[in-house]
Amino acid sequence: AQSVTQLGSHVSVSEGALVLLRCNYSSSVPPYLFWYVQYPNQGLQLLLKYTSAATLVKGINGFEAEFKKSETSFHLTKPSAHMSDAAEYFCAVSKSGGSYIPTFGRGTSLIVHP
Amino acid sequence: EAGVVQSPRYKIIEKKQPVAFWCNPISGHNTLYWYRQNLGQGPELLIRYENEEAVDDSQLPKDRFSAERLKGVDSTLKIQPAELGDSAVYLCASSLGELAEQYFGPGTRLTVT
Repeated sequence: AQSVTQLGSHVSVSEGALVLLRCNYSSSVPPYLFWYVQYPNQGLQLLLKYTSAATLVKGINGFEAEFKKSETSFHLTKPSAHMSDAAEYFCAVSKSGGSYIPTFGRGTSLIVHP
Repeated sequence: EAGVVQSPRYKIIEKKQPVAFWCNPISGHNTLYWYRQNLGQGPELLIRYENEEAVDDSQLPKDRFSAERLKGVDSTLKIQPAELGDSAVYLCASSLGELAEQYFGPGTRLTVT
């Protein structure tokens, strides 16, 4: 079975500071990994995805994530936070054997202080 | 290009009443998903369609939940009867295939009183 753990339900940073949102996964086969962002009262939007190509994945809005197989991690980073980055972020894993059912983490709320 | 459309956006019902949610996916997307998102949680897949065929429905509580996707386009998710624990946001998403990017609708927030 596959699973996702997002460490920290809330992360608070100052505007301009580094953003680091942590995600660890469990999968019996090489996974596909995703980060989604959800703004209030909106659906989820894909930030980036890893599908076994380059381990460093660049996404929209200046975000990137690095796949580290040895650490079973897929942490999301952004060098400089903007106020508009305040939202809920979800890590998801897909592909377990022959199944592609996506499994989402509980989410991390990013708070950006001026 | 129009995104995934869901209606209604909000619904308040009393327990034991029926309720239905409607989803119109992005044109041409053959894969459609229904998720339930409880407060403070990530989305949980309820059912996935490939065209009009339900291919993943193991998480759907079949005693009270039903879904259909007529003609492989629009989809309806129904709950009958609703229970207090069904209060959640119900999200619909669509994609060009099971490994392709999913596009989410804004969701329907259901409150059961």
